[in-house]
Amino acid sequence: EIVLTQSPATLSLSPGEGATLSCRASQSVSRYLAWYQQKPGQAPRLLIYDASNRATGIPARFSGSGSETDFTLTISNLESEDFAVYYCQQGSSWPRTFGQGTKVEIK
Amino acid sequence: EVQLVESGGGLIQPGGSLRLSCVASGFTFNSYDMSWVRQAPGKGLEWVSSMHIGTTTTNYADSVKGRFTISRDNSKNTLYLQMNSLRVDDTALYYCARRSGSYWHDSWGQGVLVTVSS
Repeated sequence: EIVLTQSPATLSLSPGEGATLSCRASQSVSRYLAWYQQKPGQAPRLLIYDASNRATGIPARFSGSGSETDFTLTISNLESEDFAVYYCQQGSSWPRTFGQGTKVEIK
Repeated sequence: EVQLVESGGGLIQPGGSLRLSCVASGFTFNSYDMSWVRQAPGKGLEWVSSMHIGTTTTNYADSVKGRFTISRDNSKNTLYLQMNSLRVDDTALYYCARRSGSYWHDSWGQGVLVTVSS
């Protein structure tokens, strides 16, 4: 099973700042990595797939990069609605696995 | 508009069984693979199972293999999860999700709560 480790666990930032979230895989997942956003009481929302492709309707301030074992989700100019928990998910092998999440909170 | 509506959850004793349903609308159900993903209270996301269109191919997390069975009825636009031998650690909000592409999930239901407790 591929283990995804996200860091940091919590990121405290102010609106307007940039956020850099990391997802590290225990073995190569090529570029088969997706990112999701989840707000309290809501279902997850797809942000990024195949490491760097934005999903439909996702603002350009969200960008993804990386390959093999190291991936980054970057959020530029944080807006109030961006404070949430972010998860990565690999699609390279079964079982599919998620990272444990990074919470982006208001400082 | 894509909609996924789960039902069938509730409080069940350890060792019991439940069947979850997910009714899909707003898209051609038989053109998409589907999955179940769960989230224990206050915890992260855990992929549970996926089912492929056009085949009987299914995949399961090790934690549920042999106890849970995913199925679908394309004539009813419905995805199911039969859960047997339920354990306390199966307590979670269970999401139905549409798989778009090979592995990512682009649409999710609001989830149905399953509580396993004596």
